[in-house]
Amino acid sequence: AQKVTQAQTEISVVEKEDVTLDCVYETRDTTYYLFWYKQPPSGELVFLIRRNSFDEQNEISGRYSWNFQKSTSSFNFTITASQVVDSAVYFCALRSADSNYQLIWGAGTKLIIKP
Amino acid sequence: DVKVTQSSRYLVKRTGEKVFLECVQDMDHENMFWYRQDPGLGLRLIYFSYDVKMKEKGDIPEGYSVSREKKERFSLILESASTNQTSMYLCAVCGPLNTEAFFGQGTRLTVV
Repeated sequence: AQKVTQAQTEISVVEKEDVTLDCVYETRDTTYYLFWYKQPPSGELVFLIRRNSFDEQNEISGRYSWNFQKSTSSFNFTITASQVVDSAVYFCALRSADSNYQLIWGAGTKLIIKP
Repeated sequence: DVKVTQSSRYLVKRTGEKVFLECVQDMDHENMFWYRQDPGLGLRLIYFSYDVKMKEKGDIPEGYSVSREKKERFSLILESASTNQTSMYLCAVCGPLNTEAFFGQGTRLTVV
């Protein structure tokens, strides 16, 4: 069965702190894709990153970084030096042939950055 | 990037009304999805479509139907709106397996 778990329902930190959002997935497929999305208060989901199952290199984009570890089935997202504008709900998702190409979503983590 | 347009940002309807939510994409992607999002429940799939005139039930199809007469348009229909259908509705579009989904801006529907 396909499943994505974001165990952190809500995280609150003070601006400039680093914060890591956890994502653990389950799939039997060997080929799959993992995604992170941001949903600011305006409501629209914004795509952040895609990672395929054959590429375990970590990725950094400015203050954002992603750590993909197949050994622990995790795809964690770290924000360095957080800012108030990072406040949003963040979703992790999985897509594979086994999910009939649908996106399997985590429940989301609400991130609050306090000034 | 794919542009996904939902017909309304905010909508208020009365109980029992028939409601149409429209979603249009500007690319030639096969896969289109309707989700509803409620506090604490994440994204729940209502219906999806892999091609014109093709539809599949998602996790919570009860009380909804869909229509896909043209590839670029996917409509969600509430045959008889009820107050428990008050929610945020999100349309998503994606291409092949190795691509991400693109979302519309969402429709906040209130049924009174």
